[in-house]
Amino acid sequence: SYVLTQPPSVSVAPGQTARITCGGNNIGSKSVHWYQKKPGQAPVLVVYDDSDRPSGIPERFSGSISENTATLTISRVEAGDEADYYCQVWDSNSDWVFGGGTKLTVL
Amino acid sequence: QLQLHESGPGLVKPSETLSLTCTVSGGSISSSSYYWGWIRQPPGKGLEWIGNFFYTGSTFYNPSLKSRVTISVDTSKSQFSLKLSSVTAADTAVYYCATLYSGTYAFFYWGQGTLVTVSS
Repeated sequence: SYVLTQPPSVSVAPGQTARITCGGNNIGSKSVHWYQKKPGQAPVLVVYDDSDRPSGIPERFSGSISENTATLTISRVEAGDEADYYCQVWDSNSDWVFGGGTKLTVL
Repeated sequence: QLQLHESGPGLVKPSETLSLTCTVSGGSISSSSYYWGWIRQPPGKGLEWIGNFFYTGSTFYNPSLKSRVTISVDTSKSQFSLKLSSVTAADTAVYYCATLYSGTYAFFYWGQGTLVTVSS
């Protein structure tokens, strides 16, 4: 089965840039999606198809991808960005797969 | 904009079948534009995809749950349902229904989630 690997936690000071990675075998050949998950709330799609933003998502959220790593970048981090972030792909053998999640802490 | 709302029992006994319904508004459940899916999050753990349903009748299930899962659609009620049989405490989770646009594999719209506890 296809596995997506995320760091358990990332910490950043307000106003700085947070980068959350998602690793997977040849992930560059897949479309990667990113979700923000706050306690008690439904997940929110913040980036889809590697680097596109749904309507209403601030430009501070961006995505990029290389051969084996996808990255969610949050610029000018705010306290309200503190949440868990999950990457997700579709794989022909495993279908829909989520990463283990990364807890973003705003210091 | 699509809106989804989960409903169903919050407590299920071990070995029984968990049944949840997702009611869709703001769009047609028969549309070729959407996939309909279920995702869950056990307490303190990450998101786990359960399965998806496409208007053609095609279903896709997580291999680890496939033997116990059924997703179906009732177009007359604009609802789709999840049944998970032979539940154990490990199936305790918040269950979300969600929607994908066909042609992409991202879940664009989510219900608010419903907690299902498996306990005797």
